Amino acid sequence: DIVMTQSPDSLAVSLGERATINCKSSQSVLYSSNNKNYLAWYQQKPGQPPKLLIYWASTRKSGVPDRFNGSGSGTDFTLTISSLQAEDVAVYYCQQYFSTLDTFGQGTKLEIK
Amino acid sequence: QVQLQQWGAGLLKPSETLSLTCAVYGGSFSDYSWSWIRQPPGKGLESIGEIHHSGSTTYNPSLKSRVTMSVDTSKNQFSLKLTAVTAADTAVYYCAKEADPDGSFFDYWGQGTLVTVSS
Repeated sequence: DIVMTQSPDSLAVSLGERATINCKSSQSVLYSSNNKNYLAWYQQKPGQPPKLLIYWASTRKSGVPDRFNGSGSGTDFTLTISSLQAEDVAVYYCQQYFSTLDTFGQGTKLEIK
Repeated sequence: QVQLQQWGAGLLKPSETLSLTCAVYGGSFSDYSWSWIRQPPGKGLESIGEIHHSGSTTYNPSLKSRVTMSVDTSKNQFSLKLTAVTAADTAVYYCAKEADPDGSFFDYWGQGTLVTVSS
C-alpha cells in the first residue's frame, strides 16, 4: 500500500494568514505516461462527509474558492490556503489514487489562532 | 446535481452482517464507478472498495474476504455487505461517486451512516 503522511497533525493560523499543509507519499504518485499526479485534497467539517477541493494535485474543483491551492509532484505535495477564513476550520485529508487501493493521509486539523 | 442517499442498520452485534445501500439521484449512473469508504470515530478515512456499473469490483485486500458489493442499475443503487463484523468495524460508512473515469477521487458523497458493533 502507498502510505500517505501529512504534516503537521494540527495547525493554528490567524485569520487572513496563510495555512500550509504537507502530504508525503511513500512512493511516487506521478504517472509518467500522462504526467499526472494522482493526488487529491479534501476538507471535512464535523458531522459532514469530506468535500473534494483539489484533484490531479493542483486542479481546483469548480466552486472551490481560489484561496485554496494545491502544488507538488512525485511524492511531496502541499495544500495552501492563502488567506484563512473562519469557514476554513476543518480537517484536511490528502488521498492518492495512483494504486489500485487508494489511501488517505491521517488528516490535519486546522484551527484559528 | 448528483445526490447520494444511503441507508442501512446502524447497530449490529459481533458476527452479524453489515448491509448498506446507496441510491444515486441525478447524473449518469453508468458513466462512473461507485465506492464505499469508512471512518472510525475520531479517525481517518479508509477505502473499502469500488464497483463499476458493469458489476466489476475492487476491494481493499484487508477486507476482501468479508466484503461484497453489488449494483442494481435499474434502480441506480449500489450496496455493501460486510460479514462477521467486530467492534473494529464500528465507523461512519460513506458511499461516494468517483469523479473521473481515469482517477478514483470522489466528488459526491452520501451523508454517512454510523454503524456501531456492540454486544
